[in-house]
Amino acid sequence: GQNIDQPTEMTATEGAIVQINCTYQTSGFNGLFWYQQHAGEAPTFLSYNVLDGLEEKGRFSSFLSRSKGYSYLLLKELQMKDSASYLCAVRGANQAGTALIFGKGTTLSVSS
Amino acid sequence: EAGVVQSPRYKIIEKKQPVAFWCNPISGHNTLYWYRQNLGQGPELLIRYENEEAVDDSQLPKDRFSAERLKGVDSTLKIQPAELGDSAVYLCASSLPPGYEQYFGPGTRLTVT
Repeated sequence: GQNIDQPTEMTATEGAIVQINCTYQTSGFNGLFWYQQHAGEAPTFLSYNVLDGLEEKGRFSSFLSRSKGYSYLLLKELQMKDSASYLCAVRGANQAGTALIFGKGTTLSVSS
Repeated sequence: EAGVVQSPRYKIIEKKQPVAFWCNPISGHNTLYWYRQNLGQGPELLIRYENEEAVDDSQLPKDRFSAERLKGVDSTLKIQPAELGDSAVYLCASSLPPGYEQYFGPGTRLTVT
């Protein structure tokens, strides 16, 4: 089966660091994406990992371990505007080629 | 560069009525996706197009849902008849080849009463 797990909610304070974990079990693996989604808005791309290791992009970093079926998104120097839902998505493989399977999202609340 | 455009942004209909959503992808993006996102959930793929061809419609409820992408650009997703459980946000996304980053439109929030 296909399963992507991430915490439902997290809270943090401005200036802090937060790590959002994601574990996955999918039939096939062709990369892992992190998207940010503010309430009532479309998801926007944050990061992409296909090989093991850490990808850093400004305040955001994403890590992947394919052997463990595990990824995390690290957000540093948190700002109020980082309050949003963070979606972990895996590009699996099916008969038709590729498909993006999303987790339910982690709602992050940043307080001052 | 213009992003993915969707219309309408909001739609309220009574059950058993038909409804249609329109999507204009980013220029040059051959791959187009329709997702459905229920409240508190991640998006779920309904159908994926490569140019005009629907290459993955395994999750599309074909008894009431239909989609088309004439000329490989704009796409329309239709529900007929709508049911209460169809209330959700319908997201359109596009990408260059299917393995590339997907860009999402603002979505259409459908409420079926």
